[in-house]
Amino acid sequence: GESVGLHLPTLSVQEGDNSIINCAYSNSASDYFIWYKQESGKGPQFIIDIRSNMDKRQGQRVTVLLNKTVKHLSLQIAATQPGDSAVYFCAENFLGGANSKLTFGKGITLSVRP
Amino acid sequence: GAVVSQHPSRVICKSGTSVKIECRSLDFQATTMFWYRQFPKKSLMLMATSNEGSKATYEQGVEKDKFLINHASLTLSTLTVTSAHPEDSSFYICSAGVRQPQHFGDGTRLSIL
Repeated sequence: GESVGLHLPTLSVQEGDNSIINCAYSNSASDYFIWYKQESGKGPQFIIDIRSNMDKRQGQRVTVLLNKTVKHLSLQIAATQPGDSAVYFCAENFLGGANSKLTFGKGITLSVRP
Repeated sequence: GAVVSQHPSRVICKSGTSVKIECRSLDFQATTMFWYRQFPKKSLMLMATSNEGSKATYEQGVEKDKFLINHASLTLSTLTVTSAHPEDSSFYICSAGVRQPQHFGDGTRLSIL
């Protein structure tokens, strides 16, 4: 069936290093992708998104890359900080409107070593 | 920016109790809201889509009579866990948005004793 999944369950990085979090999706019809950050006991917080007509989008310290050929999505965090420690989820959307649902990946825990 | 508020943030109650969770859009109107359930160290699982003025759309495997959803206004959706049992203990999260990306509430931790 269609699914959105992550390659690694945990990622440990040194403070100051760059982090790369990967996500695979299987639905070629998906046209919108989002990365969320979830801290303990809180709801997901939007980080960055990208539409399928783009292959790269940059934000503040974060970059999302989309490779439609291999159905792969990645989140790059530059100069990782202790405050970046959280669980990260990728999500995909099929129809694109606010009334259409998201499908979440399994999540990866990012742990930043001081 | 758009904000979604959930209440209460935590509930602890006895088995057999019905619990109501509120999800409010604070600065926008939401014809659609979404309810998710999340187990520890797991991803978000969509339970249902709440539609203002009409019946909610439930995902496969979600009991409609157990998880009652009411979306009576453009800023409020409620999820009622009826006759809750320990297996209903979980983190419940709602989301809404005028457009993508959806904004999420801070969740409700439900613990059934």
